[in-house]
Amino acid sequence: QKEVEQNSGPLSVPEGAIASLNCTYSDRGSQSFFWYRQYSGKSPELIMFIYSNGDKEDGRFTAQLNKASQYVSLLIRDSQPSDSATYLCAVNSENNAGNMLTFGGGTRLMVKP
Amino acid sequence: DAGVTQSPTHLIKTRGQQVTLRCSPKSGHDTVSWYQQALGQGPQFIFQYYEEEERQRGNFPDRFSGHQFPNYSSELNVNALLLGDSALYLCASSPDSGGGNEQFFGPGTRLTVL
Repeated sequence: QKEVEQNSGPLSVPEGAIASLNCTYSDRGSQSFFWYRQYSGKSPELIMFIYSNGDKEDGRFTAQLNKASQYVSLLIRDSQPSDSATYLCAVNSENNAGNMLTFGGGTRLMVKP
Repeated sequence: DAGVTQSPTHLIKTRGQQVTLRCSPKSGHDTVSWYQQALGQGPQFIFQYYEEEERQRGNFPDRFSGHQFPNYSSELNVNALLLGDSALYLCASSPDSGGGNEQFFGPGTRLTVL
């Protein structure tokens, strides 16, 4: 059973702080890793993806991947109240048949003004 | 550039009925995946369609079936609805997988089974 684990939260941070969201996965064959943001009542929105070990930065977001530890994280710098949402970690379990995504349960982030 | 579209937005059915949900992929995308998201949980993979065939399937019963049309749009059919089928149904499109291609979600269809 391929699993993706996230702390459900809520993770509460003050405005302007760094929010750190973490995710672990069980399938060592996983190749691609995604972070989606989901506002209440809306569908998931892709915000970051990472394929190689190390860091990948895009604006205020940094994704970090450590395949040896089966760990992926998302850092949000200068957190804003508009960042308050549920963040979903997803892992691409690619095989010859397709590229299904396995999702964690999500971490709810609350940024307080 | 139109994104992924889904219809209808909301749907209310009773137990035992059948439902069809529709999805049009993002322009340039030919692969469509369907996910079910129960309240408070992450999305769960139902199946994926490519070249009008089901290419991969998650752990869902045969009551869940689908179809992909030549224009890459897709339908999800659920027969003999159960109360537990109440969820947000999400369609995601992507280019044909060559390794980790990103999937983009539509707005979803909220299904309520009474």
